[in-house]
Amino acid sequence: DQQVKQNSPSLSVQEGRISILNCDYTNSMFDYFLWYKKYPAEGPTFLISISSIKDKNEDGRFTVFLNKSAKHLSLHIVPSQPGDSAVYFCAASDGTGANNLFFGTGTRLTVIP
Amino acid sequence: GAGVSQSPSNKVTEKGKDVELRCDPISGHTALYWYRQSLGQGLEFLIYFQGNSAPDKSGLPSDRFSAERTGGSVSTLTIQRTQQEDSAVYLCASSIQGAGREQYFGPGTRLTVT
Repeated sequence: DQQVKQNSPSLSVQEGRISILNCDYTNSMFDYFLWYKKYPAEGPTFLISISSIKDKNEDGRFTVFLNKSAKHLSLHIVPSQPGDSAVYFCAASDGTGANNLFFGTGTRLTVIP
Repeated sequence: GAGVSQSPSNKVTEKGKDVELRCDPISGHTALYWYRQSLGQGLEFLIYFQGNSAPDKSGLPSDRFSAERTGGSVSTLTIQRTQQEDSAVYLCASSIQGAGREQYFGPGTRLTVT
């Protein structure tokens, strides 16, 4: 039962354009959301997060938007750079004592120079 | 300023053998997690350690899987009588309790069961 879903396995974007990666979730108890970036043969690297009390969080070229009513979040990267090419994972936490994260299956972003 | 380290980076084993995977968390991080990523899947939670508390084993897929964390630092994930479906990348992460929810991952161990 996949509680966090990334329905697009891959995305290609021209350098300089905006990349939009989408994520949907089913558990209304999730209250914290994260995006991780993963290069081949490396572990996931934390990118940006958002609490459910917010609808937007921005960090440089990266912005995460949260739509709680739609149980949807998205990561915007602008402008996209070739070094952004990686697999992006969406993750969510329901705030239990374990702070366990539930991950999506990832979206492979390719930024074309 | 070392990050999370894991060893070995790759492990090939025959079906039925036992394997041990090691994780060294970031110094000072009290929480430690094991996840695995099978081909085409997201990260699947396995087990969580927090300080001296009893571990949360709710994600372990079978009793062939076990883990321990000695001295609140290094952790070992053991898989007994490995099966082909155990083939995956096993990832360890650590975090500072209370410092948001960000977890910091190691590079993973790629396990292949033949």
